[in-house]
Amino acid sequence: GAGVSQSPSNKVTEKGKDVELRCDPISGHTALYWYRQRLGQGLEFLIYFQGNSAPDKSGLPSDRFSAERTGESVSTLTIQRTQQEDSAVYLCASSRLAGVNEQFFGPGTRLTVL
Amino acid sequence: SQQGEEDPQALSIQEGENATMNCSYKTSINNLQWYRQNSGRGLVHLILIRSNEREKHSGRLRVTLDTSKKSSSLLITASRAADTASYFCATDASGGSYIPTFGRGTSLIVHP
Repeated sequence: GAGVSQSPSNKVTEKGKDVELRCDPISGHTALYWYRQRLGQGLEFLIYFQGNSAPDKSGLPSDRFSAERTGESVSTLTIQRTQQEDSAVYLCASSRLAGVNEQFFGPGTRLTVL
Repeated sequence: SQQGEEDPQALSIQEGENATMNCSYKTSINNLQWYRQNSGRGLVHLILIRSNEREKHSGRLRVTLDTSKKSSSLLITASRAADTASYFCATDASGGSYIPTFGRGTSLIVHP
């Protein structure tokens, strides 16, 4: 079956603009995660969705970042008023069950803020 | 600070040699996972080892876990150029956390 997909694969934007990143998880996966990865660094947790429960937003770095997910389907990560330090690869992952299980990652969106 | 830290940060070997990477963590865990990442894109899951397990194998991969030392190792035997990638460990703290914590990774280069 299809894996996790993300769009766009690359996004170049100007400082101050808003961007929206999309993640399509694997069908039936209840958990969805967003991560940020700066060049040469590890993964930085941003937000976690589990079914219809309230998301865990503890990793969002500022109020310019927000994310939504409808049920167990598509998720969007929105960054408002982008800054140069937002430049990174944004990775989405889904997993079948609640709790820490094998995560299936999308290819990521490489965001460049000029 | 990172829960999981990989060591070494970079490793360069010749094809056919074995590659060993280590991961240390700070708090008690439920399980530990190893992932591989090519070219800064999506990660691929390699192995999950639970806190009550000491060793697991998958093909040319061998993972050990020593909870007394809060450390894990990933061994890749008979390495191939295609094994060139970054390798990350991810841990979840015991106590019901659903959020894995990733280290900064080990960059492995296998020369043909």
